This record gives sequence, structure tokens and C-alpha cells, in this order.
Amino acid sequence: GAVVSQHPSWVICKSGTSVKIECRSLDFQATTMFWYRQFPKQSLMLMATSNEGSKATYEQGVEKDKFLINHASLTLSTLTVTSAHPEDSSFYICSASSGGLYNEQFFGPGTRLTVL
Amino acid sequence: LAKTTQPISMDSYEGQEVNITCSHNNIATNDYITWYQQFPSQGPRFIIQGYKTKVTNEVASLFIPADRKSSTLSLPRVSLSDTAVYYCLVGDMDISNFGNEKLTFGTGTRLTIIP
Repeated sequence: GAVVSQHPSWVICKSGTSVKIECRSLDFQATTMFWYRQFPKQSLMLMATSNEGSKATYEQGVEKDKFLINHASLTLSTLTVTSAHPEDSSFYICSASSGGLYNEQFFGPGTRLTVL
Repeated sequence: LAKTTQPISMDSYEGQEVNITCSHNNIATNDYITWYQQFPSQGPRFIIQGYKTKVTNEVASLFIPADRKSSTLSLPRVSLSDTAVYYCLVGDMDISNFGNEKLTFGTGTRLTIIP
């Protein structure tokens, strides 16, 4: 099946710094990618929908100025957590659709962010 | 998007068949039913998808009754490696909308396989 990668797999940063997470579709082109956040023992929560060449669509309650999303190409979307704080510590997961018959979404392995 | 309801947790012994049922009373005509598996600290992995009746692949079967208000994921002869959280999702998978469908994850079912 299609492969989605994320980099880095984990990151630790100081409060107030910015962190960039990359999401790549390795063997297919994805016009749309999605970003999720997952806290321990909880389900995935959709943060935003990232569309290639246009602005991302954020879910209600997600600060677009804090979570900057760029989808510059059909294989790469980035999520930048600006001025990170400890409450932003979470597991961030991206997904992409291969555009197949059943719109199966392929998920990346996730990025564990820890803000000290 | 239709809301789904699943049991929070289930336990089963190795070698048994496990059936996880999901309720989706408000499923729409264009909605497909999809199941994902998630291991700790990993992204979800697609298991199976269907629209009606029965779908089977190399890892699972999906049973959907005629009214489509529920679905059952069946895992044959489970092993310890099947311990994971299983999510049932429904969403519009109309081909004209592909690539743009948002997935709403419910609580999922935490399946624990006992040796």
C-alpha cells in the first residue's frame, strides 16, 4: 500500500520555541493531507485539512496562527507549532489519500512532541 | 458525518475469533464504513472497508446488515499482536469527493489479547 512518512519521529523542545513536522507521501501524490493530534489514551482529533497550493482549513478551536500548515507540493505538507508550550505536547499524525476508489487514507507513523 | 458507537474495551484469548460491533444509526446513503487499527505510538492502519453485506480480506471480515445501522469487524484466530485500538468510521467516500473526506474518529475499542 501507499506509504506516508513523518519527520521527525520525536522531538523535545523548550517552551517558546517553534517546531516543524514534515509529512511526505512517498509513492503517491496527495492533493489533500490531514493533520491530527492525539493525547495519551485518547482518540485522534482532526486539526486541519491541508490542500496543495492553498490555505489549510482548520477545525473549530484550532489556532491557525499557532499551528502553521504549508502544503507546497503534492508529496509534502508541514506543520509548524509556533511558540510551543507544554500543553502542546502530544502525538501529531498526518494522513493522505491516495485517491483510490474507496478514498483510503494512509497515515504516517506520527511525531511525538514534548515541550519542556 | 455519522457518529459511531463502539465498546470501549474487549478482552479475548489467543486463537479465538473476535467480533467488534459498531453502531452508526445515522449513516447516510453515500457513506462507507471503514475500520482502522492503531498500535501505541503509531499511526492508524487501514484494515477493511465496505458498503453493505460482507467484505473479506486477508486480515479481517466486515459484516454489514441490510439497514447498515451497524457493522461488525471480525478478526479470525487472534494473536497477541492483535492487541490494539480498533476504530470504526463512516464517511462519504463518493468518488467525486475523494481525497477531501474528513475522518472523525470515535473512542475506538481497545482490544486486549490474553495468552
